[in-house]
Amino acid sequence: KAGVTQTPRYLIKTRGQQVTLSCSPISGHRSVSWYQQTPGQGLQFLFEYFSETQRNKGNFPGRFSGRQFSNSRSEMNVSTLELGDSALYLCASSPGRDGEAFFGQGTRLTVV
Amino acid sequence: AQTVTQSQPEMSVQEAETVTLSCTYDTSENNYYLFWYKQPPSRQMILVIRQEAYKQQNATENRFSVNFQKAAKSFSLKISDSQLGDTAMYFCAFPSANYGGSQGNLIFGKGTKLSVKP
Repeated sequence: KAGVTQTPRYLIKTRGQQVTLSCSPISGHRSVSWYQQTPGQGLQFLFEYFSETQRNKGNFPGRFSGRQFSNSRSEMNVSTLELGDSALYLCASSPGRDGEAFFGQGTRLTVV
Repeated sequence: AQTVTQSQPEMSVQEAETVTLSCTYDTSENNYYLFWYKQPPSRQMILVIRQEAYKQQNATENRFSVNFQKAAKSFSLKISDSQLGDTAMYFCAFPSANYGGSQGNLIFGKGTKLSVKP
């Protein structure tokens, strides 16, 4: 069974640009969550999608958005990039409320 | 507010010895899960062990076990017979009721960097 796949693995962007990250969950998993990991703030919850609907959202500005497709694949978008958006972005998928969350290897975003 | 505190930023242990990582948390929920995740240098977050709060028996997974003290809101991880491959960041986490309480909405501690020395 394939694991959670995140693409790309590494990304370098310039301030002011926008970026889209992709996450393909484990087959059959309907929940996809996104987390931001930085040395200063640690791991912070961004949002969760379930069956194409955003179920919950963390405390991040509106520049961070996401969506989920009918095949459960998810994308997150960050507009007007700031230097502080440099981070490891992790995606996790789970079958539902009580299922174990499986993580992808992350996308390392560097904003210059 | 729901919080998770890991008070040991770094720890080291000799191979084959035992080490305990601490975690305290704060929640007003009564039924919840608690997790320990491992993040090696490859960055892949891997679930090590999970504990259901309504179960009094401490969870065990091979060399990994927990000491769950619900009243004290303490959830420590014990690694027995430490191996070089256990070198990683270890995160304590639980589902945030603020965000629906599912495993998709986890609050993480700041992590403990564990080094296993030969």
